[in-house]
Amino acid sequence: GAVVSQHPSRVICKSGTSVKIECRSLDFQATTMFWYRQFPKKSLMLMATSNEGSKATYEQGVEKDKFLINHASLTLSTLTVTSAHPEDSSFYICSAQNDRDNEKLFFGSGTQLSVL
Amino acid sequence: RKEVEQDPGPFNVPEGATVAFNCTYSNSASQSFFWYRQDCRKEPKLLMSVYSSGNEDGRFTAQLNRASQYISLLIRDSKLSDSATYLCVVGLDNYGQNFVFGPGTRLSVLP
Repeated sequence: GAVVSQHPSRVICKSGTSVKIECRSLDFQATTMFWYRQFPKKSLMLMATSNEGSKATYEQGVEKDKFLINHASLTLSTLTVTSAHPEDSSFYICSAQNDRDNEKLFFGSGTQLSVL
Repeated sequence: RKEVEQDPGPFNVPEGATVAFNCTYSNSASQSFFWYRQDCRKEPKLLMSVYSSGNEDGRFTAQLNRASQYISLLIRDSKLSDSATYLCVVGLDNYGQNFVFGPGTRLSVLP
C-alpha cells in the first residue's frame, strides 16, 4: 500500500530554534500534501496545503512566516517551524494525496515537537 | 455549530460487545465520508470509506444518512486491539484540502 514517510518522529529543542520536518511519499507521486497539527485529545487541524512547484495555501490563523512549507518535488514536502516557542509544541502530521487516486489520504507517522 | 461532531466518549466496552459510533456533519454539500482510526500519538489510518448504500468490512459496518447528515460505524465482536480513537472525516469533495476531521470518539475494549 501507499507509504508516507515522515521524520523526525520526535524533536526536543530550545526556544528560538528552527525545526524542519520532512514528509515523503515513497511509492507514489503527490502533487498535493497537507500539514496538520494535533493537540492532546483534539482532532487534526489542517494548517496548510502544500503544492508542488507553487506556494503553499495556509489556513486562516496560520502564520506563513512562522511555518515555512517547501514542496520542491513530487515526493517531498518540508515544514519548518521557525523560531519555535513552547506554544508550538504539538503533534505535527503530514498527509499526501496520490496523483493517480486522489480520493484517499495517506498519513505520515507524525512528529512530536517539544519546545523547551 | 461545529462542522463535524462526534460523541467524545470514552466508550468502555467488554470484549465481544457491539459498539456503535455516530457522527453528524453540518455541510449538506459534503461529498465524501470516511472513518479513520488513530492510536495514541500515531497517525490516523483509514478504516473505511462510507458509501450511500452502506458498506461492510468484516466486523465493521458503516452507514451514511444524507437526509439526516449523519454517519455511523458499527463494530461487532469487539477485540482488545480495537481500542483506539475513531475519527469521522467529511469532505466537500474528493480532495484532501476540503476534508474536515471530527474530534474523534475514544474506544476502550476491556478484557
